[in-house]
Amino acid sequence: LAKTTQPISMDSYEGQEVNITCSHNNIATNDYITWYQQFPSQGPRFIIQGYKTKVTNEVASLFIPADRKSSTLSLPRVSLSDTAVYYCLVVPLGANNLFFGTGTRLTVIP
Amino acid sequence: NAGVTQTPKFQVLKTGQSMTLQCAQDMNHEYMSWYRQDPGMGLRLIHYSVGAGITDQGEVPNGYNVSRSTTEDFPLRLLSAAPSQTSVYFCASSRGTSSYEQYFGPGTRLTVT
Repeated sequence: LAKTTQPISMDSYEGQEVNITCSHNNIATNDYITWYQQFPSQGPRFIIQGYKTKVTNEVASLFIPADRKSSTLSLPRVSLSDTAVYYCLVVPLGANNLFFGTGTRLTVIP
Repeated sequence: NAGVTQTPKFQVLKTGQSMTLQCAQDMNHEYMSWYRQDPGMGLRLIHYSVGAGITDQGEVPNGYNVSRSTTEDFPLRLLSAAPSQTSVYFCASSRGTSSYEQYFGPGTRLTVT
């Protein structure tokens, strides 16, 4: 499985755009990039998943360059309720199991 | 839909006691799994099941048993609780073999003294 590396923590002011970058240098051809969000005292929640280029949904955007060795989760205009831990995962196509690292703890400041 | 439900929310056990953590889902998902999360850490996979009657070990299976007699339920049994099993336990489910979008339950906070 490709190892992922992401910042341990980030702070941002309300209303700003936040970009969290994840490095996955050893990503394989059939791997997908997946991001989860975990609020305190809750289970993780799936945010977004992509293979290459850009994916956008109502929560976030995911940017993946052509070499796929990194990815960036972009959260537009964050609010205090976006304070959470964000996990970047590399998941092989058809795999059943997820392997979580320690994630990035995002704190949104008023 | 209730989604993924877990009971109990909190539990305190003495070393050596056994107990079962309950997990149920009402989404007719084939895949279910159990994770544990220790303070400041990510989640680690304990056991998983790809369908009724089929279970397999994850990353940290020692000290835990599972069974899957129905699609809906996936209980986790602690055979003889140890302080090292103090953790928050999450159950998750997903459709088929595409595990990217897994739905997690609210968790059970277990303390073993």
